Amino acid sequence: GQNIDQPTEMTATEGAIVQINCTYQTSGFNGLFWYQQHAGEAPTFLSYNVLDGLEEKGRFSSFLSRSKGYSYLLLKELQMKDSASYLCAPMNTGFQKLVFGTGTRLLVSP
Amino acid sequence: DTGVSQDPRHKITKRGQNVTFRCDPISEHNRLYWYRQTLGQGPEFLTYFQNEAQLEKSRLLSDRFSAERPKGSFSTLEIQRTEQGDSAMYLCASSSWGQGNSNEQYFGPGTRLTVT
Repeated sequence: GQNIDQPTEMTATEGAIVQINCTYQTSGFNGLFWYQQHAGEAPTFLSYNVLDGLEEKGRFSSFLSRSKGYSYLLLKELQMKDSASYLCAPMNTGFQKLVFGTGTRLLVSP
Repeated sequence: DTGVSQDPRHKITKRGQNVTFRCDPISEHNRLYWYRQTLGQGPEFLTYFQNEAQLEKSRLLSDRFSAERPKGSFSTLEIQRTEQGDSAMYLCASSSWGQGNSNEQYFGPGTRLTVT
């Protein structure tokens, strides 16, 4: 089976750092994606991890531990525009289908 | 703008009517995916194509749903005899699948379907 677990909602203040955790169980594994989705808009790609460790890209970093079935997205120097849903999506092997969690809604306040 | 376009952006239809949506992927992408998303949920996989071949269909996709990608470029998703439960955002995504590619999926803006 396939199961993805993320917190439903998080709040943080402008300028702060926030970590969004994701645990997953999938039938085969071929990397994990993080997407950002603003209300009413399509998801946009943030990061992709296939090997264990931390990938840094500007204010956003993503970490993966394959043995633990765990990933996190780290957002630094939060801005109001970072208020959005963040979707964790492991990719299974074979047909390489993305399996999305319900997402974490992040609210950044002044 | 990711380069993936969808048409129409919004569709309101009465229950029992048929609807068809179109997706134009990024031109060099060989894979095209359809997802459905309802409020407060992540996108749910419906089906995907590699070139013109439909390789997988979700169990969510009832017989009323059909998708095509006749020339390996644009794709259409048809819903026959729509039901109120079909109301959702229908998202299309494309990717360049193959060795050495990140297989990142680029999403279109979606078609929001409302069945009354």
